[in-house]
Amino acid sequence: NAGVTQTPKFRVLKTGQSMTLLCAQDMNHEYMYWYRQDPGMGLRLIHYSVGEGTTAKGEVPDGYNVSRLKKQNFLLGLESAAPSQTSVYFCASSSPRTGHGYGYTFGSGTRLTVV
Amino acid sequence: QQQVKQSPQSLIVQKGGISIINCAYENTAFDYFPWYQQFPGKGPALLIAIRPDVSEKKEGRFTISFNKSAKQFSLHIMDSQPGDSATYFCAATLNTGGFKTIFGAGTRLFVKA
Repeated sequence: NAGVTQTPKFRVLKTGQSMTLLCAQDMNHEYMYWYRQDPGMGLRLIHYSVGEGTTAKGEVPDGYNVSRLKKQNFLLGLESAAPSQTSVYFCASSSPRTGHGYGYTFGSGTRLTVV
Repeated sequence: QQQVKQSPQSLIVQKGGISIINCAYENTAFDYFPWYQQFPGKGPALLIAIRPDVSEKKEGRFTISFNKSAKQFSLHIMDSQPGDSATYFCAATLNTGGFKTIFGAGTRLFVKA
């Protein structure tokens, strides 16, 4: 069981470039999330999805777009990268059907640097 | 109202000692309070969690104490070990169609051998 897989693991972008981060989960979870982690700020929710074809904004959605065309995949897009988007990005998933209550399963992260 | 405040920012504990991390929240609509453990280069992993109708939950060396009236909760790590050295995040979750979780800023724990 792979759990939650994020690709790529590392990326360096130039300001203004675009990219897509891919998250895939094999646990048949309904809910998926994108967070960013910055020193001293914990994890902040960017966007989330409660099911295939549905997305919603979190705490810090500006500059990001998401899509969930398939239940197992959740994509995070940066249309025009800015240095303020330098961060570690984590994808997570959860399901009301698991024995973990509302707990998340996280991927191992993508470290993005925008220069 | 959505904030979760965590302290201390960092903590050094001797092997065998008790590590205590505190958190406070404001929104009484939160109905699930998890703690996550994160090792360098890894994603956070769910460690232990509690619901607001319970005052304490213990799993092995890890205990959550929950004070609903004060809107505070804490993680106690008994008999702390060097392998417990990690960053710990408290969090609070709203079940509003998807489980929206707000995280504290994190506590970096170092257990000295």
